[in-house]
Amino acid sequence: DAGVIQSPRHEVTEMGQEVTLRCKPISGHDYLFWYRQTMMRGLELLIYFNNNVPIDDSGMPEDRFSAKMPNASFSTLKIQPSEPRDSAVYFCASSRDRGYEQYFGPGTRLTVT
Amino acid sequence: GQQLNQSPQSMFIQEGEDVSMNCTSSSIFNTWLWYKQEPGEGPVLLIALYKAGELTSNGRLTAQFGITRKDSFLNISASIPSDVGIYFCAGLEEGGSQGNLIFGKGTKLSVKP
Repeated sequence: DAGVIQSPRHEVTEMGQEVTLRCKPISGHDYLFWYRQTMMRGLELLIYFNNNVPIDDSGMPEDRFSAKMPNASFSTLKIQPSEPRDSAVYFCASSRDRGYEQYFGPGTRLTVT
Repeated sequence: GQQLNQSPQSMFIQEGEDVSMNCTSSSIFNTWLWYKQEPGEGPVLLIALYKAGELTSNGRLTAQFGITRKDSFLNISASIPSDVGIYFCAGLEEGGSQGNLIFGKGTKLSVKP
């Protein structure tokens, strides 16, 4: 059974560029979560979807961040324009039913120079 | 927002020793989860707890949902080198948003062979 798949695993980009992170949740999971992890702030929830609908985006830092889930098997997190302070590891997670037990992908390490 | 206090921040132990870590909150939680994260990977779910007083084991790992519903404990017996990693507690606050897990800052475990 494949776990959560994320791509790319590493992304290095210059300030001002657009960055798109991708996620494929576990098949059959109704919830999808995007997190950001940094040393200073730990794991922060950015946004989550239920049945492809965004439910809570209060953690999205600013308008430069956007997330979509066009279907049950794919989601994107986009940063435009990117800034050095966006450098972090971004995780996607998915869960079944009420969203308690979340299963994480391997993450995308983003470096913005 | 709600914070989880996880302690200790780090532990350096000898192989074969038992390990104990805990997580506390100022408010009541309905669910407690324990994750382990290894370098370059996403957090992996170890144990999920849903009822006050619940005690659940997963191999050498045992976790408990505190009676007050404001804390949880994770014990690792007879540690081995592959137990190295960062252990995170996470919880769902009573009355909180359904998918909004709150994470502790983690306990970094080092095991000396």
